[in-house]
Formats: sequence, C-alpha cells, structure tokens
Amino acid sequence: GENVEQHPSTLSVQEGDSAVIKCTYSDSASNYFPWYKQELGKRPQLIIDIRSNVGEKKDQRIAVTLNKTAKHFSLHITETQPEDSAVYFCAASKNNNDMRFGAGTRLTVKP
Amino acid sequence: NAGVMQNPRHLVRRRGQEARLRCSPMKGHSHVYWYRQLPEEGLKFMVYLQKENIIDESGMPKERFSAEFPKEGPSILRIQQVVRGDSAAYFCASSPQGGPVNTEAFFGQGTRLTVV
Repeated sequence: GENVEQHPSTLSVQEGDSAVIKCTYSDSASNYFPWYKQELGKRPQLIIDIRSNVGEKKDQRIAVTLNKTAKHFSLHITETQPEDSAVYFCAASKNNNDMRFGAGTRLTVKP
Repeated sequence: NAGVMQNPRHLVRRRGQEARLRCSPMKGHSHVYWYRQLPEEGLKFMVYLQKENIIDESGMPKERFSAEFPKEGPSILRIQQVVRGDSAAYFCASSPQGGPVNTEAFFGQGTRLTVV
C-alpha cells in the first residue's frame, strides 16, 4: 500500500513566523492529498486538501503545494498564531481508496 | 448525518480482559480505517476494511488484535487479553466507496482505552 513520510515530527516557531511541514508519498498513482489538524484531546479534522491536477492551493493563511514528479507535498502556514498550535497530519489516497496518513507534526507557536 | 460515531469514548479494562471498540461510519461510507495514537504521538495505521473485507491489516499486531466490518452493523476492533501497552486512543475514520472523485475521510471522536 501507500507509504507516507512526514517531517519534521516537531516544529516550534515564534508567533508571526511561517511554518512548513513536508510529506512524501510512494505510490505515483495517488491523486488526493488532504491535511488534517488535531487539537489537544480532539479528533483530526480536515483543514485543506489538494488534488493531483493542481500544483498549489491557498486558503487564507494556509497553502499546500504538490510536486507530483518528486512525489512530495507541503503545508505552509503564514503569520502563525498561538491557536495554530496542534498536531498536523498529511495523507494520500487514490480514488478514495486506501488513505494513509503521515505520522504527524506537533506544531507549537510561541507567543 | 451524525458523522462517524465511536463508542465507548472511554474504556477501562484490567489486564487480561477483552476490549471491544465500535465504529459506525458515516452514512453511505463503506471504507473504515483504524488508527492508534499514543499520548504525545502521531497516528499509527492499524487496519483498513471495506464491508465484509479486510483490505490491509499490516499495521495490526498478529496476536490478540482483530477487526471486522460486517455487512450490517458497526466495525469492531477487538483486543484480547489486554496489556498495559495497549493503553492508547483508538480512532476510526470512514470514507465513501472508491471512485474518481476523492473526498476526505472523517474521523470519529476516538476511544480512549486504559488498561489497569
């Protein structure tokens, strides 16, 4: 099955700085790449996703980029705020089948 | 649509007992994933099921753990003879049947298993 690697496992930034989380995937047929945010004690929830027919997608302070050739995709958070502190997970799937998650990145935004 | 429902939310078991965790996927979803999460750690894939089929159980220990997703009723993750190391949060997620239009997987609230 698909294998998703995520880095870094922990990330600490100052409020206002940018944060970047990177993921790689193994199956070149994967075509859907969602990102989830998990706040303390809660379930992971989708924050943004990208499909393989686009290279970049933005939603306010959050952007995702996809490089299909290199099989990697990244989450970019600009102007970070303390409420961005959470665990972030990337995932990859192919036609709604076999969604696999990265191990997660614990982001801490220091005020 | 009630979303993905997991029960119980909290489960306490003594060493050697059995734990049964239930996951009712969202209406219309036929794919279920089970993940384990230790405190302060990420999600670890356990098993991927479709109705009446185990597609991939490579992340699940071969002993004591089993999973099913029957034609009717919830998906069940069963842990026999629990040990302290089984204490964790167990999340399930569901997604629709495979097809050309991808959608997100939705997570349940998780079951927090504590083995005493």
